[in-house]
Amino acid sequence: QKEVEQDPGPLSVPEGAIVSLNCTYSNSAFQYFMWYRQYSRKGPELLMYTYSSGNKEDGRFTAQVDKSSKYISLFIRDSQPSDSATYLCAMSSGLTGNQFYFGTGTSLTVIP
Amino acid sequence: GAVVSQHPSWVICKSGTSVKIECRSLDFQATTMFWYRQFPKQSLMLMATSNEGSKATYEQGVEKDKFLINHASLTLSTLTVTSAHPEDSSFYICSARSDRETQYFGPGTRLLVL
Repeated sequence: QKEVEQDPGPLSVPEGAIVSLNCTYSNSAFQYFMWYRQYSRKGPELLMYTYSSGNKEDGRFTAQVDKSSKYISLFIRDSQPSDSATYLCAMSSGLTGNQFYFGTGTSLTVIP
Repeated sequence: GAVVSQHPSWVICKSGTSVKIECRSLDFQATTMFWYRQFPKQSLMLMATSNEGSKATYEQGVEKDKFLINHASLTLSTLTVTSAHPEDSSFYICSARSDRETQYFGPGTRLLVL
């Protein structure tokens, strides 16, 4: 079983839709949860970073962590064509000296 | 803040030559830098972790004599692909992290070995 599971998609939505991206994990020691956005032929860009359970909101983006279910989500409201990218989840048990475990990424296309 | 640069952004070389890729943290000191490899439509594959002033820790299956990593300062790490072959063609991405921070990625270097 992989440490982190993420549906690769592809996911295609109309402009303005609410997008839900999800990852599940198996290691209960994970405490730090990240979402990265990667445009084609570019390096990943950090979007959201949360510690332990709960919600975090930043503009149109909301990250949710449910440690009891080992499930994390990223919601994108009012999706825009510029949101079209691959979204990677990542998690770690700590920040110092710990490996990050990445999902395979979900490819999202927002259609104008 | 938290900007990481990579140079070059792309490189084409002949088989058998060596290629050096630089990764720099521009506005913070990176105690740890990571090197990843990414094939088309696949996720990041961690190759090695390097701490400033220490030898890099390589992941299983990654040849340390082929992929030389040097983390000489808190803002610079280099990856040298020695005697590159076509199968080494890939997208190489570095990331950098200061203490108690998450990873910030560079823009990547696309390597094509002919």
